[in-house]
Amino acid sequence: AQSVTQLGSHVSVSEGALVLLRCNYSSSVPPYLFWYVQYPNQGLQLLLKYTSAATLVKGINGFEAEFKKSETSFHLTKPSAHMSDAAEYFCAVTPSGTGNQFYFGTGTSLTVIP
Amino acid sequence: GAGVSQSPSNKVTEKGKDVELRCDPISGHTALYWYRQSLGQGLEFLIYFQGNSAPDKSGLPSDRFSAERTGGSVSTLTIQRTQQEDSAVYLCASKLGQENTEAFFGQGTRLTVV
Repeated sequence: AQSVTQLGSHVSVSEGALVLLRCNYSSSVPPYLFWYVQYPNQGLQLLLKYTSAATLVKGINGFEAEFKKSETSFHLTKPSAHMSDAAEYFCAVTPSGTGNQFYFGTGTSLTVIP
Repeated sequence: GAGVSQSPSNKVTEKGKDVELRCDPISGHTALYWYRQSLGQGLEFLIYFQGNSAPDKSGLPSDRFSAERTGGSVSTLTIQRTQQEDSAVYLCASKLGQENTEAFFGQGTRLTVV
């Protein structure tokens, strides 16, 4: 079952510009939400996670995401893109009460233009 | 171990042969997942093990695919009579039993069917 949607399979930003990667979930009960990054030819690395403690979550490499229940969203942002941010980004969800299922969005490829 | 370990890292096999992919999860992690990532694609869920419960096999694409997890630890994904469309990176992940914890990924096995 697909419980998370990432809008935009490819996003391009200029170096120094704002990065905004979109993620929406579909469950009626707020789930647990995660953002992962995959650099070329590497495995997946956790950027940050939402576990209901705080709606604004800060992660590694200057990324942050805000959980908005009214919009069923968990968009990933970074104020100023670096060339090293070029990678594939995945949003993932564990719907509450489903026994630890872990579903991924289709991913967004971020290109940073010098 | 310190992280999720997958072997082999690369596997080239002839069409029609059987292959076995191994995943050694982080010690103490009760949940284990297999995903498939085709070139330029997202993560396709294959199968999920949680403790001693029956595995969720809903993502297995055909009866040529099977997986087992012995002793609640090491898992093996078997693909019988491999086809060229099975060529992909197979990723394994493990996590603790709580829903609000993140999954840790191995580096994957790159399978090429020729």
